[in-house]
Amino acid sequence: DAGVTQSPTHLIKTRGQQVTLRCSPKSGHDTVSWYQQALGQGPQFIFQYYEEEERQRGNFPDRFSGHQFPNYSSELNVNALLLGDSALYLCASKDRVNNEKLFFGSGTQLSVL
Amino acid sequence: AQSVTQLGSHVSVSEGALVLLRCNYSSSVPPYLFWYVQYPNQGLQLLLKYTSAATLVKGINGFEAEFKKSETSFHLTKPSAHMSDAAEYFCAVSGLSGNTPLVFGKGTRLSVIA
Repeated sequence: DAGVTQSPTHLIKTRGQQVTLRCSPKSGHDTVSWYQQALGQGPQFIFQYYEEEERQRGNFPDRFSGHQFPNYSSELNVNALLLGDSALYLCASKDRVNNEKLFFGSGTQLSVL
Repeated sequence: AQSVTQLGSHVSVSEGALVLLRCNYSSSVPPYLFWYVQYPNQGLQLLLKYTSAATLVKGINGFEAEFKKSETSFHLTKPSAHMSDAAEYFCAVSGLSGNTPLVFGKGTRLSVIA
């Protein structure tokens, strides 16, 4: 059983560019959350998707947007990249039955130059 | 608002010694509390969670944590450290609603010395 898979694993962009990160949830999971983990910090919640809609959002600007597809996979888009967007982006999935446990992917390491 | 504070960004112990990683939480509602471990270049793995049942929670790899409401603490312990325990450890809190996002501490890096 594949867990949460994210792609790509590493990405290098320049300031002002746009980036799309992808996530496939664990089998049986229908809810996807995205977290940003800056170097030396704990993960910070960006947003959560369920039934193809954004359900909750953390304190992130509108440059951060997302999407969830009918197969529950998800994308995170970041526009007008800033140097400060350099971080590890983690995707986590869960199901509506077992709300207490998130499964995390290995993340996408984004470097903005 | 919920928050967690992890005391000590870096803890170093000898192999076989007690591991104690400290976490204090702040929550206006009864919390769920979690400990996650992150190995280099990997995502987060759940070690254990407190969800208002038993206050002493046992997790994987010999770790356990005790919820102490009077001290607003949820410290992580392991009686005997192993070299493979070297990693980054994160404490996190959420509300009782299953959809409340996790709020993480800044993490504690555990080093184990042979």
